[in-house]
Amino acid sequence: NAGVTQTPKFRILKIGQSMTLQCTQDMNHNYMYWYRQDPGMGLKLIYYSVGAGITDKGEVPNGYNVSRSTTEDFPLRLELAAPSQTSVYFCASSYRGLSSFFDEQFFGPGTRLTVL
Amino acid sequence: TQLLEQSPQFLSIQEGENLTVYCNSSSVFSSLQWYRQEPGEGPVLLVTVVTGGEVKKLKRLTFQFGDARKDSSLHITAAQPGDTGLYLCAGAYSGAGSYQLTFGKGTKLSVIP
Repeated sequence: NAGVTQTPKFRILKIGQSMTLQCTQDMNHNYMYWYRQDPGMGLKLIYYSVGAGITDKGEVPNGYNVSRSTTEDFPLRLELAAPSQTSVYFCASSYRGLSSFFDEQFFGPGTRLTVL
Repeated sequence: TQLLEQSPQFLSIQEGENLTVYCNSSSVFSSLQWYRQEPGEGPVLLVTVVTGGEVKKLKRLTFQFGDARKDSSLHITAAQPGDTGLYLCAGAYSGAGSYQLTFGKGTKLSVIP
């Protein structure tokens, strides 16, 4: 199993450009998450999904959109990129998700995004 | 929003030394997880503690959950260079009928050979 894969690994955007960060998992997990990690700030939840066709906002959703058409894929869309979106983005998946207080999240390797 | 404070933020020690990092909150958590993250990679789960006062050991790493389930500690014995990384604690709390996970800012550990 590849686990959680993310593409691209690095990207530089100009202010106002748009892009999609790709995330795929092959563990048949229903729950998927997008986080951003800023230096010294820990992980902040952007969006999450409890299954195909169902998504919801996390702590910092502004400026982002998501979709979940299949169990495997959970792309994150940035519209009108801003310097404040410079960060490392992690996708994660889990089996039990929000119904469990001890579920393990499996993380991808991250996408390092710079907006200039 | 539930807050988790981790300390210290940075720690640099010599190989063979012992260390403890802390994760504190004013809120009660249903469980607490510790992750380790290496440069250029995503976090990887080390342990989950669920019961107040629980102690778990993972080789040279000892994890403890506070009696009131508001705090946790990670103790490393005889640190090795392979222990270098960012250690994150994450607490699960109940909200609106489901469980949410909140992460601390992390402790960046460097073990010098």
